[in-house]
Amino acid sequence: ETGVTQTPRHLVMGMTNKKSLKCEQHLGHNAMYWYKQSAKKPLELMFVYSLEERVENNSVPSRFSPECPNSSHLFLHLHTLQPEDSALYLCASSQVLGELYGYTFGSGTRLTVV
Amino acid sequence: AQKVTQAQTEISVVEKEDVTLDCVYETRDTTYYLFWYKQPPSGELVFLIRRNSFDEQNEISGRYSWNFQKSTSSFNFTITASQVVDSAVYFCALSEARYGGSQGNLIFGKGTKLSVKP
Repeated sequence: ETGVTQTPRHLVMGMTNKKSLKCEQHLGHNAMYWYKQSAKKPLELMFVYSLEERVENNSVPSRFSPECPNSSHLFLHLHTLQPEDSALYLCASSQVLGELYGYTFGSGTRLTVV
Repeated sequence: AQKVTQAQTEISVVEKEDVTLDCVYETRDTTYYLFWYKQPPSGELVFLIRRNSFDEQNEISGRYSWNFQKSTSSFNFTITASQVVDSAVYFCALSEARYGGSQGNLIFGKGTKLSVKP
């Protein structure tokens, strides 16, 4: 258990489905992040939240919609995804935005879009 | 532009061999931070080390050692006497200066998959 919990661990969804990924941390961290890890590509930062406010949105398609209701929870709402969106989605948190001791990562949600 | 290159996609060694994972980075910042993370099969990224651009001292932690050379923009990672449990994907990352001057946003390399066979 890393301190950052992601659910579900695996998700298979059709292109017309709507689903949500959940990330939870009880480390008292104020910043949370969504990363996408595709095969043979570097991890891509998708969204950054600090104190529940979105501070970065890296040109992510609107079919991905983040939500941060409080500093402990982060969601990624998915709808009408494409097969190329299949990837490992990693959530991370840090004490403050851009914490230099690195981020604490969750184990990820393995998403398959069929 | 910030960039991290891990030229070795996959490495396979036999237990007890030493192995070095290469990392080359590009940045225009004078102040930056470099990281290594380990990603075991379970998926989470485990923080291994952070290095700032002003500290070129090599670091050793048990069987792990890191060689930071600004002259060649490299931050290589060596595992001595490798073990099967070292099998994982290892990522090198660079932080870029943002968010009001503080460091933020890790730029990752593509990772090196290390397989250690018994």
